[in-house]
Amino acid sequence: ILNVEQSPQSLHVQEGDSTNFTCSFPSSNFYALHWYRWETAKSPEALFVMTLNGDEKKKGRISATLNTKEGYSYLYIKGSQPEDSATYLCASYNAGNMLTFGGGTRLMVKP
Amino acid sequence: DTGVSQNPRHKITKRGQNVTFRCDPISEHNRLYWYRQTLGQGPEFLTYFQNEAQLEKSRLLSDRFSAERPKGSFSTLEIQRTEQGDSAMYLCASSPGTGASLGYTFGSGTRLTVV
Repeated sequence: ILNVEQSPQSLHVQEGDSTNFTCSFPSSNFYALHWYRWETAKSPEALFVMTLNGDEKKKGRISATLNTKEGYSYLYIKGSQPEDSATYLCASYNAGNMLTFGGGTRLMVKP
Repeated sequence: DTGVSQNPRHKITKRGQNVTFRCDPISEHNRLYWYRQTLGQGPEFLTYFQNEAQLEKSRLLSDRFSAERPKGSFSTLEIQRTEQGDSAMYLCASSPGTGASLGYTFGSGTRLTVV
């Protein structure tokens, strides 16, 4: 994998559904994986930073896992709420000294 | 300190005009980044500064683009002779240092529309 890729590109779920997204990143020269949430008309907000293989992070109903050997991370949202509607970005920090972002997953939660 | 501030929030300009955007980072952050985001894409790296030194520029940054951070505080991004393909959200971010675990603090962006 040469670039950071996210799937799906967009997702519509009903309130109360649990959901998850995937981020794939280059596993060579890996240093850290960042997740951000970007709500419309606001700035991207940091959710998690993960560095070690097997890392799991949790913040309320949102959690993330990291597999550095195969180059992927999952973001899970349990019991989605309308306020979770946003674009979720992952970014890899490799040898280039800056974050390389994926295309994002746009989540829409219907009440 | 109220975070990263970008001005203007929106800019509509005619093709061929020059535009300049400003970014005020968090005061104690020595790293400042510019990214560009177009519809349906994630943020693409343009350039970054360590204090006043511009350390890296993306190939996306054509000769029409120039960025400065004259005193290691605020930064400006100028686009000369704008083209319709320059229409995008321009995001600025800052971070306190060079560590991989140090997240970025983003501004709200400047949305540029070239007509």
